[in-house]
This record gives sequence, structure tokens and C-alpha cells, in this order.
Amino acid sequence: GQQLNQSPQSMFIQEGEDVSMNCTSSSIFNTWLWYKQDPGEGPVLLIALYKAGELTSNGRLTAQFGITRKDSFLNISASIPSDVGIYFCAGQIIQGAQKLVFGQGTRLTINP
Amino acid sequence: KAGVTQTPRYLIKTRGQQVTLSCSPISGHRSVSWYQQTPGQGLQFLFEYFSETQRNKGNFPGRFSGRQFSNSRSEMNVSTLELGDSALYLCASSYKILRDSDTQYFGPGTRLTVL
Repeated sequence: GQQLNQSPQSMFIQEGEDVSMNCTSSSIFNTWLWYKQDPGEGPVLLIALYKAGELTSNGRLTAQFGITRKDSFLNISASIPSDVGIYFCAGQIIQGAQKLVFGQGTRLTINP
Repeated sequence: KAGVTQTPRYLIKTRGQQVTLSCSPISGHRSVSWYQQTPGQGLQFLFEYFSETQRNKGNFPGRFSGRQFSNSRSEMNVSTLELGDSALYLCASSYKILRDSDTQYFGPGTRLTVL
């Protein structure tokens, strides 16, 4: 099936630093979603992107839908301890058996 | 508005048994999708139900099945459990069917352990 390449796989940063992660694919998506998942819990939607080129912010989070529709990035500014967790990108494809494809996740660890 | 709820949260079964998981979507949401999450394979789509009909299915064997009731609540069943079925099973709901680009909201998941 379709694959999303999410990078980096893990990040170790200091509190207050900015964070950037991205997802790329060889497939075109019509929707990009970014989720955060805490241990033992389901993913929580952070940002949804519906148009190529769209740049959307949610507090300290900013995400963009790539112009080619094959990539997206998520930035977190001024990280705080509660940002710790695993971040997933997800792309909804236009056609095919799988309606929502997920990246492998980026594990964010913050040193206070 | 209450979020997506899943029951039970934790389940332990033995190989060969069957299991039924339940999901109640956000009020007003008509689409329910199921996902399997494992450390090795990540998040994988199982199937989607909308208006009591299965609309799409991922690449899982026939042992995995589901249904949706008239109140949009959904159940997922796994028969003849295998060790590899141990995973976090997540349910997600949305107002529209997935192909209409609606946003999904996930429940907390059911952690299934097969011994």
C-alpha cells in the first residue's frame, strides 16, 4: 500500500527549542492530518490541511500542505514539557483501498 | 460534546479465542473506522462503516470483521485469535464518509493482548 516517510524518527531537544518534522510520499494526498499520541491513548488531532499550499496554525503548532500534495511539515515553536509524545502525520488518498495512511511517527523527548 | 469511547480499554485473550470490541462515535458522527496499531507495523486501516454499511476495507484477513448499528455505534470482531493480533485497536469517527475528506477523531483504543 501507500507509504508515508516521516522524519525524523526521534528528536531529543531542550525545552524552549523549536521543532520541525515532515512527511513525504510518492503518492498524492487530498488531505494531510497531524496527530499527537500519548502512551496508551489514541491519537489526538492537532491540525488538518485540505488544500495544497495551505498553511495552518494551532497555537504554537504550524503545519503546511505541500504544493505537490506529496508532503507536509509540522513545526512546534518554543517547546514545553507537555509537547512530549509521538507525532504522526496521516494522508488521505484520493483513491485506493486504504483511505488513511499514517507515517511511522516522530517521538519527541524534551529535556527540561 | 463527548468524544469517541471504546470498550473495553484492556483485554487479555488466548490463542484461538474470539473477541468483540465496541466503539461509540461522537454524537452526530456517522462514519466509524477501525485501525490496528503495533510497534512493528504502525497504524493500519482495518475498515470503515458508514450508515451501517462497510464502505472500505484494508488488507486484513477475514478473521477481522465489523458491523455498525443504526445509532452509529460499531463493533469489531476478531475470530481465531493469533499472537500477532496483540495490538492497540483504535476507533475513529467522522461526520462524513472518509472519501469526502472529513476529519477523524480517535478514541483511546482497546489494548488487546493475546497469550
